[in-house]
This record gives sequence, structure tokens and C-alpha cells, in this order.
Amino acid sequence: KAGVTQTPRYLIKTRGQQVTLSCSPISGHRSVSWYQQTPGQGLQFLFEYFSETQRNKGNFPGRFSGRQFSNSRSEMNVSTLELGDSALYLCASSPRAPGTVNYEQYFGPGTRLTVT
Amino acid sequence: DAKTTQPTSMDCAEGRAANLPCNHSTISGNEYVYWYRQIHSQGPQYIIHGLKNNETNEMASLIITEDRKSSTLILPHATLRDTAVYYCIVRSWLSNSGYALNFGKGTSLLVTP
Repeated sequence: KAGVTQTPRYLIKTRGQQVTLSCSPISGHRSVSWYQQTPGQGLQFLFEYFSETQRNKGNFPGRFSGRQFSNSRSEMNVSTLELGDSALYLCASSPRAPGTVNYEQYFGPGTRLTVT
Repeated sequence: DAKTTQPTSMDCAEGRAANLPCNHSTISGNEYVYWYRQIHSQGPQYIIHGLKNNETNEMASLIITEDRKSSTLILPHATLRDTAVYYCIVRSWLSNSGYALNFGKGTSLLVTP
């Protein structure tokens, strides 16, 4: 079974631009989460989607948004990019539905975003 | 979710067992212990999880103390490819926070030849 895929793998943008990152979960997984990883802050949760609905959101500004499509694929968007948005953006999918006992997440390789 | 405490770094000789400890003294009855690892520049990889019984899979074993206040991840025969940051995470399936995982700082494991 193919793993979580993320596109693009690397991206360079300039301040003020916007960017859209894409994630395709493992086949059959309906839950998708996004994380940001930086050397200073580590892995931080951005948001989570299940059945096209955002179920939870981390502590990030409104410039960060996401959505999930009916095929469970997800995109996240960052508008008005800042230098501090340079990070590895990770997507994870889970086979479990919310409220079920125990769950694990399977991560993609990430998208390395550099803002100059 | 309960807070976890892990050593910052550990070394292990190749071929030997790597025992990674995690303290979670405030864990509650409905919280599971999860372990993930992240090899440099890759996405985190799920390893194992457990509630109160010891668990084993093809990657590792998880030993949880009877009072559940601590656990140990065991890599039985460490290889150089096991060099990674290992995260111990405590998570309640009853949480309203969905699937969000709090990764913390983790333990940086270095496997040496």
C-alpha cells in the first residue's frame, strides 16, 4: 500500500507570496493532520480534518488554512508568507475515525518550504 | 494529555539492545503511550503504542510499568539505521483534541559501530 505522499517536496517562495501544499493520505484513511516543524519549535500541530471537516486547529494565525476533499486528499495554504514560515510541513493520515479507541498516524516525507 | 519526560540523548552500540525510557507519572487511566521516531529530514514514523500491557511488534517492544507511570521502548538489536529522535507521547482517545500529537523534544539516539 502506498504511503502518504506530499507535493511538492521542496519549495522556495518570497515574503508576501502565498503557497499551497498538497497531501494524499494512505488509501482508505479518512483523517488527515498537518504539522509544522522548525528547529526552534519542534513539531507543532496545525490542523486536522476528517470527512472534509476541520475537527481541530492548533495555535497558528489565520494565514494558515486548510481543507479536505471528498477523496480525503488535503491541501494547506499559507498566505502572506513571512520568513518565519520557513519550515518542514508534514502531513499525516490515520486509519481510525474520531472517538474510536487508540489511533496511530502515518506521516509523509514533508514539504520543505523556504521563504526568502 | 499527561506530560512526558525523556532523556535528551542516548548512545547504543550496534547490535546491542537500545532501551529508551519515558516518564509519564501523571498518566490517567484512558491515556495510551505512543512511540514515534524521526530519522533526520524524514517524517516521523509510528513505532508502537500500548495502554497497560507490554506490546511487541516487528520494530520494537514496549514495556509499561504496572503503575503506568513510566515505560521503556526496546529496540532489541539496534542498527545504524535506528539512529533517530525518539518521541514518547501520551494521548487520550477521549480527548476532544482529535488526533493532534504533542511531540515534545524526544530522545536523540545515536547507534555507533
